[in-house]
Amino acid sequence: SAVISQKPSRDICQRGTSLTIQCQVDSQVTMMFWYRQQPGQSLTLIATANQGSEATYESGFVIDKFPISRPNLTFSTLTVSNMSPEDSSIYLCSVEYPGEEDYGYTFGSGTRLTVV
Amino acid sequence: AQSVTQPDIHITVSEGASLELRCNYSYGATPYLFWYVQSPGQGLQLLLKYFSGDTLVQGIKGFEAEFKRSQSSFNLRKPSVHWSDAAEYFCAVGAPNDYKLSFGAGTTVTVRA
Repeated sequence: SAVISQKPSRDICQRGTSLTIQCQVDSQVTMMFWYRQQPGQSLTLIATANQGSEATYESGFVIDKFPISRPNLTFSTLTVSNMSPEDSSIYLCSVEYPGEEDYGYTFGSGTRLTVV
Repeated sequence: AQSVTQPDIHITVSEGASLELRCNYSYGATPYLFWYVQSPGQGLQLLLKYFSGDTLVQGIKGFEAEFKRSQSSFNLRKPSVHWSDAAEYFCAVGAPNDYKLSFGAGTTVTVRA
């Protein structure tokens, strides 16, 4: 399975600013996913990022608020824009790794964001 | 679309006791099923998964899960819990030809000495 390096691991940001989260994978993957985990909650899919195409956003998430880049098959970024305290969450990236025996999803260690 | 329910929000067990976490899914066919564990301040680690075949699946850290189609369940078990098993456990369901995972609300496990 793939190994994901996600950074920053945590940050405290002022409201109204933006934060870009990076996700680096140690192998080429087709599909990368960004999730949000609000305090005490489960994971909610924000968007799916494929290389060479626009990200696909889930209901309730928009590109202006969560712009995503996917410049190549091993890297993606998620930006949380114009932040408010409600954006305080853990943000996780994930990749799908295909294969008969190995199929599944790997997650990064997450970015714990606090907006003050 | 698939969905998953974890009925137990919080479970407390004594160290050395057995543990069972419940997971029920909704999907018309055989889904892809996963159990992940999240320790405090950490990302998600895959414990085990089921796609097809033997309905009793062995995972890491001594965990196992059993797929029961008739009950639409995929319960996670461990015979003897260690203090390090205190964490949040998530059941997730996916489907063939659909890359999206749906997560349950999670079950917090507390281990008492």
